[in-house]
Amino acid sequence: QVQLVESGGDVVQPGRSLRVSCAASGFTFSYYEVHWVRQAPGKGLEWVAVISHDGTYKYYAESVKGRFTISRDNSKNTLFLQMSGLRPEDTAVYYCARGPPGKKYFLDYWGQGTLVTVSS
Amino acid sequence: QTVVTQEPSLSVSPGETVTLTCALSSGSGSTNFSPSWYQQTPGRTPRTLIYSTNIRASGVPDRFSGSILGSKAALTITGAQPDDESSYYCLLYLGSGISVFGGGTRLTVL
Repeated sequence: QVQLVESGGDVVQPGRSLRVSCAASGFTFSYYEVHWVRQAPGKGLEWVAVISHDGTYKYYAESVKGRFTISRDNSKNTLFLQMSGLRPEDTAVYYCARGPPGKKYFLDYWGQGTLVTVSS
Repeated sequence: QTVVTQEPSLSVSPGETVTLTCALSSGSGSTNFSPSWYQQTPGRTPRTLIYSTNIRASGVPDRFSGSILGSKAALTITGAQPDDESSYYCLLYLGSGISVFGGGTRLTVL
């Protein structure tokens, strides 16, 4: 069955960096685009970034552009989000989610999320 | 900045019908933005309900349906159940790789 398992969440100080990961299994990872979505405590969902199936294309929300970098390793079925210049407002649960091929523009499977806390 | 607007909260009685809407701030119709809908209960991962405006995801009961009402995407729950008490989020694809979630609707069933 399709599984997405995030890891790497931690407590970090403002201005520092952190990388979170998402391990995929149960499907052919290299066929799918993958997204990061975050949710601040008590708040709604926020789309963060997407990477194409082969890593060629990467797109970001304005709130993270220039600070976050999405990447993937298809040989290891793993998605990454490198976060730098972290701010308190980046505190959130970070979910990875799969996007089906064929320009369908939605998310069909989600991971359980990993918590990133930015605090001094 | 593009904003996607949903009703912050709605309530419905068990067995009744409720419609949630999702509108783009620019006033452009949501129909061209491949709306999808997600359900989330507190402490849980979001669950995909509807994609491409009106296609139910696998395993989603047929009391959930998607449509376009005027220039807004809509999610209708026909015959609401107590288990439907959740937050609901729409997602719109704006083009050039960018997607945006609505602010969410907290639905109470009472």
